[in-house]
Parts: sequence; structure tokens; C-alpha cells
Amino acid sequence: GAVVSQHPSWVICKSGTSVKIECRSLDFQATTMFWYRQFPKQSLMLMATSNEGSKATYEQGVEKDKFLINHASLTLSTLTVTSAHPEDSSFYICSAPPGTSVNIQYFGAGTRLSVL
Amino acid sequence: GENVEQHPSTLSVQEGDSAVIKCTYSDSASNYFPWYKQELGKGPQLIIDIRSNVGEKKDQRIAVTLNKTAKHFSLHITETQPEDSAVYFCAALRGSGGYQKVTFGIGTKLQVIP
Repeated sequence: GAVVSQHPSWVICKSGTSVKIECRSLDFQATTMFWYRQFPKQSLMLMATSNEGSKATYEQGVEKDKFLINHASLTLSTLTVTSAHPEDSSFYICSAPPGTSVNIQYFGAGTRLSVL
Repeated sequence: GENVEQHPSTLSVQEGDSAVIKCTYSDSASNYFPWYKQELGKGPQLIIDIRSNVGEKKDQRIAVTLNKTAKHFSLHITETQPEDSAVYFCAALRGSGGYQKVTFGIGTKLQVIP
């Protein structure tokens, strides 16, 4: 099946710093990618939809200035957590649908962010 | 919007027994229902899916059934093995008209006891 690579898998940072998470589709092009946040023992919450070449669409309650999304190519989307604080600590997961399989999404392995 | 309810939230079975996880959805326009398996510290992995024009689909020890009238679908795992232990999520969405948001159930933590 299609492969989505997410990097890094785990990052620890100091409060006030920014962290960038990359999501790559390795063997297909993805005009759309999705970013999720998952708290311990909870389901995935959609944060935003990343669109190649245009602005991301954010879900209600998600601060777009806090979570910057860039989808500069058909294989790469990045999520930058700006001025991170301990409450931003979470598991962040991206997903991408292969172009020929509408709405079948493949997920990255996730990034665990710990803000000290 | 779509609302997906999933139960049970936790499930323990003896190795070799069957496990069943049930989900209901609210949007009658939803026509694509994937199931994901998430192991600890990893992203969800698609294990099986079903479209609304099919009532049942099977892949080795895993099967999914769909009742459109009642708007519920279920995951069945037979001959469970310890490696089946994980969190399973159901989801529902409209599988056409451009990419749609995936609405996930809350997840079921399955523990297979050796």
C-alpha cells in the first residue's frame, strides 16, 4: 500500500520554541493532506486540511497562527508548532489519500511532541 | 455533520476467541467505512474497509459487516492472536465529491490474553 512518512517520530523542546513536523508521501502524490492531534487514550481530532499550493483549512477552535501548515509540493506538508507550550504536548499524526483512491487515507507513524 | 459511536471502549478476549466491535453512524449519505488498527506509539493503519454497496467483506481473519438501514457496521476478528492487541478505530465518510473529513469513533482497546 501507499506509504506516508512522518518525521521526527519524537521531539522534546523547551517552552517558547518552535517545532516543525514533516509529512511526506513516498510513492504517490498528495494534493491534500490532513493533520490530526491525538491525546492519550482518545480518538484522532482533525486539526486542519493541507492543500498543495494554497492555504490550509483549519477546524474550528484550532489556532492557525499557532499551528502553521505549509504544503509546498505534492509530496510534502509541514506542520510548525510555534511558541510551543506544555499544553501543546501531544501526538500529531498526518494522513494523505492517494490520488486514485478517493478518501482512502494512509497515515504517518505520528510525532510525539513533549514541551518542557 | 457525521457522528460515529463505537463500542465497547475496551475488550478483552482469550487467544483464539472472536472479537466484535460495533459502530453506528448518523449521516445517511456516508458510503465508505474504513477500520484502522493503531498500535502503541504508532499511526493508524488501514486494515479493512467497506463501501455502502456491499453488505460484508472478509480478509482472512478479519471481516466487516454493514447494515445501511440501521446505519451500523461491525468489525469481526476470528481466531484472535496476541498481535491483534491494539486500539481499533472505525470511521465513516462520504467517499466521493472530493476529499471529505474522516469522522472517527472513539476507539476500542482490544486485549488478547494468551
